[in-house]
Amino acid sequence: GAVVSQHPSWVICKSGTSVKIECRSLDFQATTMFWYRQFPKQSLMLMATSNEGSKATYEQGVEKDKFLINHASLTLSTLTVTSAHPEDSSFYICSAVPGPGDGDTQYFGPGTRLTVL
Amino acid sequence: KQEVTQIPAALSVPEGENLVLNCSFTDSAIYNLQWFRQDPGKGLTSLLLIQSSQREQTSGRLNASLDKSSGRSTLYIAASQPGDSATYLCAANDYKLSFGAGTTVTVRA
Repeated sequence: GAVVSQHPSWVICKSGTSVKIECRSLDFQATTMFWYRQFPKQSLMLMATSNEGSKATYEQGVEKDKFLINHASLTLSTLTVTSAHPEDSSFYICSAVPGPGDGDTQYFGPGTRLTVL
Repeated sequence: KQEVTQIPAALSVPEGENLVLNCSFTDSAIYNLQWFRQDPGKGLTSLLLIQSSQREQTSGRLNASLDKSSGRSTLYIAASQPGDSATYLCAANDYKLSFGAGTTVTVRA
């Protein structure tokens, strides 16, 4: 149980284009999903917290107009990288929380490797 | 802001040796602490989760301890194997997960 998927697993795009990454909880409903970014040989950094039916909360330094997050249903959150540039190349990982309360376990997706040429 | 530090950054041991990985965090007001394994280019595999009220958790050859008051957790891996080679991340959960930079482990056959 508690499986989270991401699609695509990898994507290569040209500079200036937009890329959408999907995060799905397959066997549970997730009121909260998180998006992380990981640069090579660095740890995961939280980008934003996504709550179903409301606006995402972005961490300091993360441009909300560049990284659009939509949590339209209890099983799907999407991250759109708009006007992507080479510096946006990174490993993006989402996680989902089955429970409604604070401190609940996060279940992680397998990640999406974004390469911007 | 929660700061999580992992020491050492890298570790290389011969097969069979026990591994000790350290994690420290600055804010002790956490719900739980979690240890993950990450293979190169892959996502995270959850290894152990220790609730704030617990002192340790065990799973097979893995044992993790938590001393919340001092802001420390230790992951022990007994009788290491080459398949244990990976990066190990700890994360402190105060609703948001704050990750350490990880310890990259190499177990030599």
